[in-house]
Amino acid sequence: GEDVEQSLFLSVREGDSSVINCTYTDSSSTYLYWYKQEPGAGLQLLTYIFSNMDMKQDQRLTVLLNKKDKHLSLRIADTQTGDSAIYFCAENFDGGSQGNLIFGKGTKLSVKP
Amino acid sequence: DAGVTQSPTHLIKTRGQQVTLRCSPKSGHDTVSWYQQALGQGPQFIFQYYEEEERQRGNFPDRFSGHQFPNYSSELNVNALLLGDSALYLCASSAARKATQYFGPGTRLTVL
Repeated sequence: GEDVEQSLFLSVREGDSSVINCTYTDSSSTYLYWYKQEPGAGLQLLTYIFSNMDMKQDQRLTVLLNKKDKHLSLRIADTQTGDSAIYFCAENFDGGSQGNLIFGKGTKLSVKP
Repeated sequence: DAGVTQSPTHLIKTRGQQVTLRCSPKSGHDTVSWYQQALGQGPQFIFQYYEEEERQRGNFPDRFSGHQFPNYSSELNVNALLLGDSALYLCASSAARKATQYFGPGTRLTVL
């Protein structure tokens, strides 16, 4: 079945780079997403990538996709205390743009000053 | 441009009661999806509405039902509430043939 897995915790120092990893199981062409959730809030879409791409960069965020290994990562450059949050990896289950999203359990990023 | 809005923010109910949650999509969006997020978990897909019809459904019982109105806003109804229905209920909207879903702030439901 479909499954998205993430490590649960990551702790970094302010100014360092953070790398959050995710693995997924669906083998069809699909969209993959990174969402950020701050305490008591909804999900904020950070970025997304289609499975025919290897990399996408957006300011401090870099997404890398290894389709062969079904591995997705999110790199945050120059991590700030405001980046402390839970980061969710999600896969578009139906492989199209209107399918439902399958989420991992989230990685809690703690940024120490 | 208002984003996705949800009401109410918080809700407390007792077992066996019924609840209705509301969602207004982002301007220009016509598709609404509902997710349930239990504490410490990722969101789980409940169902999706498009053109006032349920287009897809996740693994949730019939106690969970919904509706979409002509203005694209949506309601989620849950009957015969159980303690396990306590969660953050998230609404997401998207535009047809677009890859991105945008989430509202959620409704926190507590069942006592």
